[in-house]
Amino acid sequence: DSGVTQTPKHLITATGQRVTLRCSPRSGDLSVYWYQQSLDQGLQFLIQYYNGEERAKGNILERFSAQQFPDLHSELNLSSLELGDSALYFCASTQSGLSYNEQFFGPGTRLTVL
Amino acid sequence: AQKITQTQPGMFVQEKEAVTLDCTYDTSDQSYGLFWYKQPSSGEMIFLIYQGSYDEQNATEGRYSLNFQKARKSANLVISASQLGDSAMYFCAMREGDSGTYKYIFGTGTRLKVLA
Repeated sequence: DSGVTQTPKHLITATGQRVTLRCSPRSGDLSVYWYQQSLDQGLQFLIQYYNGEERAKGNILERFSAQQFPDLHSELNLSSLELGDSALYFCASTQSGLSYNEQFFGPGTRLTVL
Repeated sequence: AQKITQTQPGMFVQEKEAVTLDCTYDTSDQSYGLFWYKQPSSGEMIFLIYQGSYDEQNATEGRYSLNFQKARKSANLVISASQLGDSAMYFCAMREGDSGTYKYIFGTGTRLKVLA
């Protein structure tokens, strides 16, 4: 158990819908990262937050947005969903924004868009 | 151009033998970090080992070692004495960018199967 929690574990929805994925980092970790892993693909970095502020952006679509709240949990919002958005979405946390060492990954949310 | 290249989509190794998983990277940054993660069939991402670009010694963590060749821009993972539980997908990743704006890039992975 990495200490990072993600809810829900599975999500099935229809095209055009909007969903929210939630992540709680490890206790004391200020930095949260979001990744997308499509079937049999590597991880695509989406976005990073540190202590409530956006710090880095990867290949995140305009239909996707994220935020980190004062209690440090983070939410990833996906809107106008398309079939291609079906993927495993990971959240990871580290203690500081500098991330010298490992990221601790949550179990992931598997999103299926029908 | 690929920033992280893992050229072996799949590999087999006999139990108790050593195996090397290849990873090459491309960056113009002087300061960067290299990581290896394991993803078993259950889906979770498990951190294995980290190498900083300024680290002179190769990183080791138990049965895992990272063969870091900076001039060749390679960061191969060596697993010694393979076990059946090592069967999984393995990802090489790189952290680059300036302080406060780090990005992480993952390779496409190598699927390792350990044979009894």
